[in-house]
Amino acid sequence: AQKVTQAQTEISVVEKEDVTLDCVYETRDTTYYLFWYKQPPSGELVFLIRRNSFDEQNEISGRYSWNFQKSTSSFNFTITASQVVDSAVYFCALRVGASGSARQLTFGSGTQLTVLP
Amino acid sequence: GAVVSQHPSRVICKSGTSVKIECRSLDFQATTMFWYRQFPKQSLMLMATSNEGSKATYEQGVEKDKFLINHASLTLSTLTVTSAHPEDSSFYICSVLAGGHEQYFGPGTRLTVT
Repeated sequence: AQKVTQAQTEISVVEKEDVTLDCVYETRDTTYYLFWYKQPPSGELVFLIRRNSFDEQNEISGRYSWNFQKSTSSFNFTITASQVVDSAVYFCALRVGASGSARQLTFGSGTQLTVLP
Repeated sequence: GAVVSQHPSRVICKSGTSVKIECRSLDFQATTMFWYRQFPKQSLMLMATSNEGSKATYEQGVEKDKFLINHASLTLSTLTVTSAHPEDSSFYICSVLAGGHEQYFGPGTRLTVT
């Protein structure tokens, strides 16, 4: 069975601070995909990134960066110079396998990020 | 990515009545859609996988006779909550599987049963 753990329930930072959201996953599959989604107060989930298990290269997109480390089964998400608009719930998710019906996402419990002005 | 809409965005119904929620893929033909529910301050829990032209696959613990799913076309899946009760009040979210990997989510439907 798969499991995603986001140990940080809530984080508050002041605008312009950097913040890292932690994600630890568990799976016995060798092929899997990791995702981050943002859920603002409106409720709609916004896709941020997908990373497959064979690509450990870290990625940077503007103020966002992701650190994937298979050795620790972690896929952490860092926001640099946070802004008030970054306030949202962030979900880490895992999908195993590459075909068939195994396309469900297993979500972590989410981290509520509040960026204060 | 795929654009997904849901209707209605909010609905209030009386206990014992049925409510239908529509999920539409506006720019992508989706053979697979997913239905999730989310309680306040909690994560998304998968309810069922909706496959176009066939029966939905329900997750363990989800009553298929209570949560009826119909995926009659490549752009529309519906979730009907039958004989709704206050404990069914939740945020229901659908998603479209696009390109085999990413799921694109609808804006959600907030159901309140009084």
